[in-house]
Amino acid sequence: SAVISQKPSRDICQRGTSLTIQCQVDSQVTMMFWYRQQPGQSLTLIATANQGSEATYESGFVIDKFPISRPNLTFSTLTVSNMSPEDSSIYLCSVRRRAEETQYFGPGTRLLVL
Amino acid sequence: AQKITQTQPGMFVQEKEAVTLDCTYDTSDPSYGLFWYKQPSSGEMIFLIYQGSYDQQNATEGRYSLNFQKARKSANLVISASQLGDSAMYFCAMREPGYSSASKIIFGSGTRLSIRP
Repeated sequence: SAVISQKPSRDICQRGTSLTIQCQVDSQVTMMFWYRQQPGQSLTLIATANQGSEATYESGFVIDKFPISRPNLTFSTLTVSNMSPEDSSIYLCSVRRRAEETQYFGPGTRLLVL
Repeated sequence: AQKITQTQPGMFVQEKEAVTLDCTYDTSDPSYGLFWYKQPSSGEMIFLIYQGSYDQQNATEGRYSLNFQKARKSANLVISASQLGDSAMYFCAMREPGYSSASKIIFGSGTRLSIRP
């Protein structure tokens, strides 16, 4: 398994501001994924974070709103830009190693935008 | 397009009873993977069990087993001897066809399981 940490674990932010969420893994992983879980909903994939290249965004998510960095094989950040109350969600980092089928999740970041 | 369906939004089960959580999926590709995750109120996603489409036997992990019926495209989770700590949301998920490490996982809508003492 992989040990994944996220910072911050939770935050309350004002609309119009930005928040950067960090994801750290205890070992090198090929792919990192960022998911959003809106209140009472299932998980929705925001983007796949590739090391050394641009992230791949899902339909409905754009780089200007959710810029992602992946500087190495153990770390990634997701920024939620120009926040509105609709961005209030749990944001989850997820990883998969090259040779394994299992995908693991971090503890999540609970974001409340006022 | 791939799709995961969980038809039980909520379930109540007596402690120590077995419980089955339903999951059906839709894909035309013969190669895929199926997952079950548990999400307690803390919000973390806990991996429970995995079944590959070519696996001959149903996956088991402790009290968890996956009833994989390929022809019916169902992957129900069975929890034996339920415990109070099993109360949580449970998500069925499917990895896109193929074995690329970049293939995405899509999630069902989830089932909220509540265990009664």
